[in-house]
Amino acid sequence: AQKITQTQPGMFVQEKEAVTLDCTYDTSDQSYGLFWYKQPSSGEMIFLIYQGSYDEQNATEGRYSLNFQKARKSANLVISASQLGDSAMYFCAMREGSWPGGGADGLTFGKGTHLIIQP
Amino acid sequence: DGGITQSPKYLFRKEGQNVTLSCEQNLNHDAMYWYRQDPGQGLRLIYYSQIVNDFQKGDIAEGYSVSREKKESFPLTVTSAQKNPTAFYLCASSIGGSVPQPQHFGDGTRLSIL
Repeated sequence: AQKITQTQPGMFVQEKEAVTLDCTYDTSDQSYGLFWYKQPSSGEMIFLIYQGSYDEQNATEGRYSLNFQKARKSANLVISASQLGDSAMYFCAMREGSWPGGGADGLTFGKGTHLIIQP
Repeated sequence: DGGITQSPKYLFRKEGQNVTLSCEQNLNHDAMYWYRQDPGQGLRLIYYSQIVNDFQKGDIAEGYSVSREKKESFPLTVTSAQKNPTAFYLCASSIGGSVPQPQHFGDGTRLSIL
């Protein structure tokens, strides 16, 4: 079974509209972290936002927020007031493990959502 | 500026040849990682290292080798045993320890077979 599922291969959105990118995850660990990354066509991976499994508040970073629903195992990314520069691939990722003392294992990525913002 | 430098940006390999991808970071991060990305796919973990002189296999380590002789450097060798090496390779680093931290990525190396 996939550990990270992103069900939207591609999305077209009008500029200035809000966007929700879906992400569901599968883990039996109590402690884990969820990350969103943006990958423009140039290829670099840009970190956007992080949510820890014990965080009670939803994470926010500027125009990005993470809608964390632990019981449903979902961690959707919300982009408010979309801009043309938001056009890119977006990846949801998870790091499992217990912390404190959790080490630095690698991330498990979903297959991504290709977001295109239209003027 | 602090960051992660990958070189070369593009690399071509002949059949049966080993090639080494460079990754250097000046962020003073303890942990370093190598990922592979195929077209239209997410990233898959090849190897990671939490401290100098120690590294662990990721999900797709077969046909690859790494070393971690210095904190700043984590080179990846794609050996001739890797039968389908054409891909985009990304190196990342993060602060180690118990508090989860985001991984910061380099700009990647695109490897192609001649």
